[in-house]
Amino acid sequence: SQQGEEDPQALSIQEGENATMNCSYKTSINNLQWYRQNSGRGLVHLILIRSNEREKHSGRLRVTLDTSKKSSSLLITASRAADTASYFCATTSGSRLTFGEGTQLTVNP
Amino acid sequence: KAGVTQTPRYLIKTRGQQVTLSCSPISGHRSVSWYQQTPGQGLQFLFEYFSETQRNKGNFPGRFSGRQFSNSRSEMNVSTLELGDSALYLCASSNPGLAGRSSDTQYFGPGTRLTVL
Repeated sequence: SQQGEEDPQALSIQEGENATMNCSYKTSINNLQWYRQNSGRGLVHLILIRSNEREKHSGRLRVTLDTSKKSSSLLITASRAADTASYFCATTSGSRLTFGEGTQLTVNP
Repeated sequence: KAGVTQTPRYLIKTRGQQVTLSCSPISGHRSVSWYQQTPGQGLQFLFEYFSETQRNKGNFPGRFSGRQFSNSRSEMNVSTLELGDSALYLCASSNPGLAGRSSDTQYFGPGTRLTVL
């Protein structure tokens, strides 16, 4: 079963705009990760945030984590057409990743 | 380093047949995990192998099995295929520390797309 939900399920924006995706989870976590998947291919690891961190940056990516609300958000700034993909949050339990349902992001040129 | 490789990339089988998928992890990675991705159920964990031992298992029937070899390469087998087994099967490798704990970051292969007719 899925750990949580992602919101929105689909997001369409123009190049240059910012994209924000949200993820909620159900259980206590050690960390939360975000992955990207291009059109039915493998997953690419984007960023990991630990439960004792509130915010983390990597290039154009900014992730926040609110453990009291069991939620996380991924912000992609100055989006590009190449950012078009599905984005998944995942929580870690031992060696197992439990994924959310994903957000399909479309960036229009 | 070369990434995670999976073979074959595409596979078409009929109901009742069995299939074996292969995964070669990143060099030096000792943990290999398998995931199934379908439109209806999303990404679901199948199992994880570490040092040739299954260390963790998801909620899948016994028709799904796997193994890991001494060189860390892993195979996944599905017997008596059903239509619902049509999916993208993803393999991921990670590099646990000396204590054998899993690394948090997993590196995924391109997947094997299995179609069951």
